Amino acid sequence: GAGVSQSPSNKVTEKGKDVELRCDPISGHTALYWYRQSLGQGLEFLIYFQGNSAPDKSGLPSDRFSAERTGGSVSTLTIQRTQQEDSAVYLCASSPRRDSTLLGYTFGSGTRLTVV
Amino acid sequence: QQQVKQSPQSLIVQKGGIPIINCAYENTAFDYFPWYQQFPGKGPALLIAIRPDVSEKKEGRFTISFNKSAKQFSLHIMDSQPGDSATYFCAASVAGNTPLVFGKGTRLSVIA
Repeated sequence: GAGVSQSPSNKVTEKGKDVELRCDPISGHTALYWYRQSLGQGLEFLIYFQGNSAPDKSGLPSDRFSAERTGGSVSTLTIQRTQQEDSAVYLCASSPRRDSTLLGYTFGSGTRLTVV
Repeated sequence: QQQVKQSPQSLIVQKGGIPIINCAYENTAFDYFPWYQQFPGKGPALLIAIRPDVSEKKEGRFTISFNKSAKQFSLHIMDSQPGDSATYFCAASVAGNTPLVFGKGTRLSVIA
């Protein structure tokens, strides 16, 4: 596709349930990032995948959060036992090569997660 | 620890005015400073970026000013228009090596 695609666009879940958020990056982009955007808190880095390297998981807020990237393309962010504080917009971005920050990230439109 | 501090949180200017958004950083290893623009319901989009070897960069009506000694950089929007109303984020990274660290954003409203 022409851009980064995220699904679902909106997700309402009950506290304690698990959720999976999907990201389809731009074809050929080797770097993929997940960020979380909460009201008034800017964009909080969660995890970074670059090619076949081990992911940088340093931003994951707890062990309830995990992510994988299959075949160097699609990524899934999983949140287990969701809590109300997990409510936020989850943004995925991709960029074309290792020196990726110089070329800028292309963000998807995000998944708005609401935990009730 | 907030590595990039952005101000103000919100800003209202008249059409044609020059809004200025400021950011300060702490990590002296940062060497790439982009600005992103976000409209409601959309992801952020890269607007303009600067490296510390220059003090100013212009792209159209958007200008970044960079002060390495003060560890500060700012975005100026010349001849602002209502269509510029959006949330603006500054960011920083050690280019190519670390994910971007974002400021908390500035909500800009340009009124006619």
